Amino acid sequence: KNQVEQSPQSLIILEGKNCTLQCNYTVSPFSNLRWYKQDTGRGPVSLTIMTFSENTKSNGRYTATLDADTKQSSLHITASQLSDSASYICVVLIAVDPASGGSYIPTFGRGTSLIVHP
Amino acid sequence: NAGVTQTPKFRVLKTGQSMTLLCAQDMNHEYMYWYRQDPGMGLRLIHYSVGEGTTAKGEVPDGYNVSRLKKQNFLLGLESAAPSQTSVYFCASRNYEAFFGQGTRLTVV
Repeated sequence: KNQVEQSPQSLIILEGKNCTLQCNYTVSPFSNLRWYKQDTGRGPVSLTIMTFSENTKSNGRYTATLDADTKQSSLHITASQLSDSASYICVVLIAVDPASGGSYIPTFGRGTSLIVHP
Repeated sequence: NAGVTQTPKFRVLKTGQSMTLLCAQDMNHEYMYWYRQDPGMGLRLIHYSVGEGTTAKGEVPDGYNVSRLKKQNFLLGLESAAPSQTSVYFCASRNYEAFFGQGTRLTVV
């Protein structure tokens, strides 16, 4: 079972509309949760980074929320633009070996494919 | 402003051939990663490194080897390529924020 689940798998919206993407995770403990945008044929680009103590973080028209109690995060896109068409990936950094102060490695969700139509 | 650079960008291999993918970063990052991305699967971690001279296995390490002889470079090797290794490979490096390369599209026939 994937430790980071994203929904919906795909989404089509009209330009100018808002949308919300969901991310549920089961991994713990974790260092931080990140949202990435991946354009077709390109590498992922970071949108937001949130520690477990942060509830909300914004980056322009992108607003991420985090509820560490329910292990849920969302990415809200306001006033969508055609250039928002991409895959949005939720990533949780999990501890490899926290007892020994080990490193954290990223665990990726499968992404939500967003298409914005004019 | 190079960031993370992957070479080559495209490659076609015959089954059984070997090759090395190079990842170079100029941000003095300690952590470097190799991922593969397949349709419907998301990115899966192959190997990673937490510093020069260190490597560790990720989620799908079989069939791949890595080396981190220099801090700025992380090499991914395929000793005997198989069709199942047809994929898009991404390298990433990070201290706090992660940066990804543009990907290498590998086809094994």
